[in-house]
Formats: sequence, C-alpha cells, structure tokens
Amino acid sequence: AQKVTQAQTEISVVEKEDVTLDCVYETRDTTYYLFWYKQPPSGELVFLIRRNSFDEQNEISGRYSWNFQKSTSSFNFTITASQVVDSAVYFCALSDGNFNKFYFGSGTKLNVKP
Amino acid sequence: KAGVTQTPRYLIKTRGQQVTLSCSPISGHRSVSWYQQTPGQGLQFLFEYFSETQRNKGNFPGRFSGRQFSNSRSEMNVSTLELGDSALYLCASKDYNEQFFGPGTRLTVL
Repeated sequence: AQKVTQAQTEISVVEKEDVTLDCVYETRDTTYYLFWYKQPPSGELVFLIRRNSFDEQNEISGRYSWNFQKSTSSFNFTITASQVVDSAVYFCALSDGNFNKFYFGSGTKLNVKP
Repeated sequence: KAGVTQTPRYLIKTRGQQVTLSCSPISGHRSVSWYQQTPGQGLQFLFEYFSETQRNKGNFPGRFSGRQFSNSRSEMNVSTLELGDSALYLCASKDYNEQFFGPGTRLTVL
C-alpha cells in the first residue's frame, strides 16, 4: 500500500536559518512520482516540484532544494536562508506511475519568525 | 491561462442538508480530482473524473458523489451532511503529469 509519512508536525525557525522537511514514502510500484506542495494560509496548494522514481538527481531551485534517495525511500526538502514568506504547511505526496491517485503526507507546518 | 476555479469559496450548511460544489479546471485539462482536507484526516482523495467518467475513487461513503460535464467542469455533491463533513474541499486539474489545485471550498456543517 502507498503511504507518505511526514514525521515533523510543526517546525519553527528564525529567518535566515536553513530548514529541512522530511518525507518518507512507501510503495510497491517501481514507477511512481513524488511531489512537494506548499499550502499558504489562503488554502490553495501550490505545486513546488515533481520527481519520478527513475530520476534520483537532486534538484535546486533558488533557495529550495530536494534530496531524493530511493535507498531510504526519502524525498526531503530543504529551504536555505528561510524567509517569513516561507511560512506555510508543506505537503509531500506520492502517485503511481499512471499518475492516478495521489497520497499525501499529513503535512509539516513551517513557522518562520522574523 | 486561468487557474483552477472553485465556487463557492465558503459555505455553511446544517446537518441533513445536501451541498453541491463546483470546479472549473484549467482550459484544456480533461481530468478533475477532488480531495477533502480536515485537521484530523489530512488530505484524502475523493474521486477523479476524466472525460465525463469517474476514473478513480477513494474510500468515501456513497453520500459523496460527483460528475463531470462535457466542458470538463465538475461538480461534487454531498448528501445528508454530517458534522464530520466540515472540511476544505480541494479540486485539482490534471494534464499528463502535472496537477494544479484550486483555492478550495471551505464547508462548515452546523
């Protein structure tokens, strides 16, 4: 069965600190996709990144970076030099190779204090 | 392109009533999925519609139903509302391997 675990319920950091959000997944599929979404207080889920199971390259986009390790079934998300605007709930998600059902983790609430 | 739109944004109903939520996907997207988000259960998949047919379904009771029209717009209906149905209902528009979410409809059941 597919499952996504985000063990960190809430994290508080001070602006400019680096922070890593953990995501561990379970799946029996050999082809699957992993995602990160950001949910600000407005409620809309904002797409951040998609990674397929065959692409273990780490990715950097500005202050955001993602570390995908199949050996540990993890897809962690790091924000460098955090800013107050990064405050939100972040969700990790998993879908099968056909991009059908999505399975979301419980989310990590990130509080960035000035 | 316009994003995913959902109406209404907020809704208050009482137990036993029924409610219909609407979602208009991104132009050209044929797949629409619905999710329920609650503090206790998190984000849970309700169902997905593609070309007017339900393609996937989550584990929700039959009180939750949906449909999709020929223009890809989708509606979700919840009958005989219960207090536990209070949630943020999110609609997602999908094309190939990209999924974009709407702002959600916040339903409160009193």
